[in-house]
Amino acid sequence: AQSVTQLDSQVPVFEEAPVELRCNYSSSVSVYLFWYVQYPNQGLQLLLKYLSGSTLVESINGFEAEFNKSQTSFHLRKPSVHISDTAEYFCAVSDYDYKLSFGAGTTVTVRA
Amino acid sequence: EAGVAQSPRYKIIEKRQSVAFWCNPISGHATLYWYQQILGQGPKLLIQFQNNGVVDDSQLPKDRFSAERLKGVDSTLKIQPAKLEDSAVYLCASSDGTGRGYTFGSGTRLTVV
Repeated sequence: AQSVTQLDSQVPVFEEAPVELRCNYSSSVSVYLFWYVQYPNQGLQLLLKYLSGSTLVESINGFEAEFNKSQTSFHLRKPSVHISDTAEYFCAVSDYDYKLSFGAGTTVTVRA
Repeated sequence: EAGVAQSPRYKIIEKRQSVAFWCNPISGHATLYWYQQILGQGPKLLIQFQNNGVVDDSQLPKDRFSAERLKGVDSTLKIQPAKLEDSAVYLCASSDGTGRGYTFGSGTRLTVV
């Protein structure tokens, strides 16, 4: 099974500032990569995913992530955050066994 | 399409009692997963079903946890007897089996007192 490391447990950020959430995984074998968001008392929602093709993937709400195979990373970025982006973010990886391995999560708190 | 349905949303029980959670996956999804999410941690896979067969239950504490997926659709996860450390959110997810997409339910928050 893959192991996933989210390097920051807490990220405080001011509204309209950029944010980057770092994610590294354990293997250079071909994998599928995901970012999920979890709002308080809610389930996991898929934010974006990398399956193949372009290494830069985008979500509909302004987030993007770049797959870097040589560095086994899949960092998440947003150029300008909103109060509503306050949530917990999970990086997840699956390989050919199709089981998701999650990082410990990064709590993003956006302040006005 | 309808999402993954889970019930109940919340459950509080005393230690040594039993509890059961129910999950109804997205129609047509052959693969079903149960994850345990302890506060402050990422979800951890407990068990994976393919149709009504178990693919992986290596992380399921089988002395107290059991799960079944009759007829390859709905699934139940049971804990008997519960311990304090079982307090967590139990998430059900389903996928079409390609590994390309998973849909999670809202989860059941279990508190063992």
